Amino acid sequence: DTEVTQTPKHLVMGMTNKKSLKCEQHMGHRAMYWYKQKAKKPPELMFVYSYEKLSINESVPSRFSPECPNSSLLNLHLHALQPEDSALYLCASSHPSFGGQLSNQPQHFGDGTRLSIL
Amino acid sequence: AQKITQTQPGMFVQEKEAVTLDCTYDTSDPSYGLFWYKQPSSGEMIFLIYQGSYDQQNATEGRYSLNFQKARKSANLVISASQLGDSAMYFCAMREGTGYSSASKIIFGSGTRLSIRP
Repeated sequence: DTEVTQTPKHLVMGMTNKKSLKCEQHMGHRAMYWYKQKAKKPPELMFVYSYEKLSINESVPSRFSPECPNSSLLNLHLHALQPEDSALYLCASSHPSFGGQLSNQPQHFGDGTRLSIL
Repeated sequence: AQKITQTQPGMFVQEKEAVTLDCTYDTSDPSYGLFWYKQPSSGEMIFLIYQGSYDQQNATEGRYSLNFQKARKSANLVISASQLGDSAMYFCAMREGTGYSSASKIIFGSGTRLSIRP
């Protein structure tokens, strides 16, 4: 069992649907991340939240909308997705860097949500 | 710009043998961290081992060790006494130095699929 919990594990949706992915961690981490991973490829960073504020957006299309309601929870709202958005979506959390010091803390990942767009 | 290169798309190893997975990196930042993750077919990314650019000794974690050659910019993962459960995709990743109180992003290599033969 991982310490980062993602729900749902699988999601099938049409291109006109609105759905949300949820990620929760209780490790006291103040940095949370969304990644997209296509089959046989490495994860690609989408968004980074630091202390509940969006700090990195890797030019992700607006049909993906992240939200960080509190320090333990991270959501990814989906609307009008395309078939090419079908992928494994991974959430991760970590301690952020402090005072310019490079953090040696790893990112802890959830099991992911396998998303299929019809 | 940083870059992570894993030149072995796939490897087959006999059970109980040691295996080395290659990783080279490129960065102009003197402060960086290197990570190895394991991803079984279930999808979860499992943190294995970390090496900081200023660490004097090679990192070790149980059966995992990191052969860090800074001048060559390589950070190879060594798995001793391989087991059937080691069959998975392995990703090398790098994080560069960041500013104050910020979440940093890590970049993944393309991965190596390791298969352990009984």
